[in-house]
Amino acid sequence: DAGVTQSPTHLIKTRGQHVTLRCSPISGHKSVSWYQQVLGQGPQFIFQYYEKEERGRGNFPDRFSARQFPNYSSELNVNALLLGDSALYLCASSLINRGRGDQPQHFGDGTRLSIL
Amino acid sequence: AQSVTQLDSHVSVSEGTPVLLRCNYSSSYSPSLFWYVQHPNKGLQLLLKYTSAATLVKGINGFEAEFKKSETSFHLTKPSAHMSDAAEYFCVASSLYNFNKFYFGSGTKLNVKP
Repeated sequence: DAGVTQSPTHLIKTRGQHVTLRCSPISGHKSVSWYQQVLGQGPQFIFQYYEKEERGRGNFPDRFSARQFPNYSSELNVNALLLGDSALYLCASSLINRGRGDQPQHFGDGTRLSIL
Repeated sequence: AQSVTQLDSHVSVSEGTPVLLRCNYSSSYSPSLFWYVQHPNKGLQLLLKYTSAATLVKGINGFEAEFKKSETSFHLTKPSAHMSDAAEYFCVASSLYNFNKFYFGSGTKLNVKP
């Protein structure tokens, strides 16, 4: 079975531009989460979507937005890019067992975004 | 609220010697706990998970972890390190609520010397 796939793998943008990152979850997974990982740090939670609705948001500015489509794939959009947005952006998908919390998240290899 | 503390930011061992990566959690209830490994420029790979079925959990690549409620710990061990184990390791707690939200530790970089 295919794992979580993200596109593109690498992207170079300049300050002020916007970017769209894409994620396809594992088949059957309805939850998608997005993380930002700055070099040398752990992943920071940005968004979680489940059944096409936003279920959680991390401490990121409104320049960051996301959505989930009927096929459960997802897009992360970032507007007005800043140098500090340079990072590895990870997408993860999971099953959800309400009230149990025991399902692992499965991660893609990420999109490496560089801002010049 | 939940939080995860990885006690060592860097650990260095020699090939063939045991590995111990330490993790403590803070939670008002028994959480689900996971260890992930990340190789350079890669995503995170699940090593193992604890979900209250057994306190000693065996994972992939010879890793295992023991859940100790009295110590609120979930340390990762391996009897004999291999060069390919050099990577960054993350301890993660999952929320029973909030749609299984993940809480990450800050990570431990494992260096394996020949």
